[in-house]
Amino acid sequence: AQRVTQPEKLLSVFKGAPVELKCNYSYSGSPELFWYVQYSRQRLQLLLRHISRESIKGFTADLNKGETSFHLKKPFAQEEDSAMYYCALHDLYGNNRLAFGKGNQVVVIP
Amino acid sequence: NAGVMQNPRHLVRRRGQEARLRCSPMKGHSHVYWYRQLPEEGLKFMVYLQKENIIDESGMPKERFSAEFPKEGPSILRIQQVVRGDSAAYFCASSPLGQGANTEAFFGQGTRLTVV
Repeated sequence: AQRVTQPEKLLSVFKGAPVELKCNYSYSGSPELFWYVQYSRQRLQLLLRHISRESIKGFTADLNKGETSFHLKKPFAQEEDSAMYYCALHDLYGNNRLAFGKGNQVVVIP
Repeated sequence: NAGVMQNPRHLVRRRGQEARLRCSPMKGHSHVYWYRQLPEEGLKFMVYLQKENIIDESGMPKERFSAEFPKEGPSILRIQQVVRGDSAAYFCASSPLGQGANTEAFFGQGTRLTVV
């Protein structure tokens, strides 16, 4: 069965410091992974998908199949990065539904 | 395009009452997914619907929960005889095709159900 693990619940960082959110997964097929973000009082929205290999708002994430990880990174945190971040796996064998991790609350301290 | 609209945003029900949660997908989207988020948990899949069809309801509790997506009107998630354990945030997502690596799912703002 598919599973997504985000080990840290809360991450506090100072503005300008690097941010890394860990995500590990278990999946029997070839995984497709995403990061979703939810800013305060806003809806959940797609931040990154591994297939596009792009940097969004300074964030990057690399799929490491050997370590079954898809960690999210940003070299210099900004105050507007404070939000909930969810790692999600696209379950191709499960009618394309998304399997989510429990989420990381990121607080950027000015 | 107003995005995925869910209503109500907040719903309070007494134990034993019925809860009806509505989701209007984005214009042109015919695929709807419902997810539930219990406190301190991630979003968990409940049901996947296309217009007039339930495609996958493997995440739905077997009793008291039902979902529909009629030809006209919003998708409805219905919870009968609610219990305190049903208190959660319920999110709806829509996409023009089934969710996939090349198909973004757009989420509503969720309905927060509180059972008292």
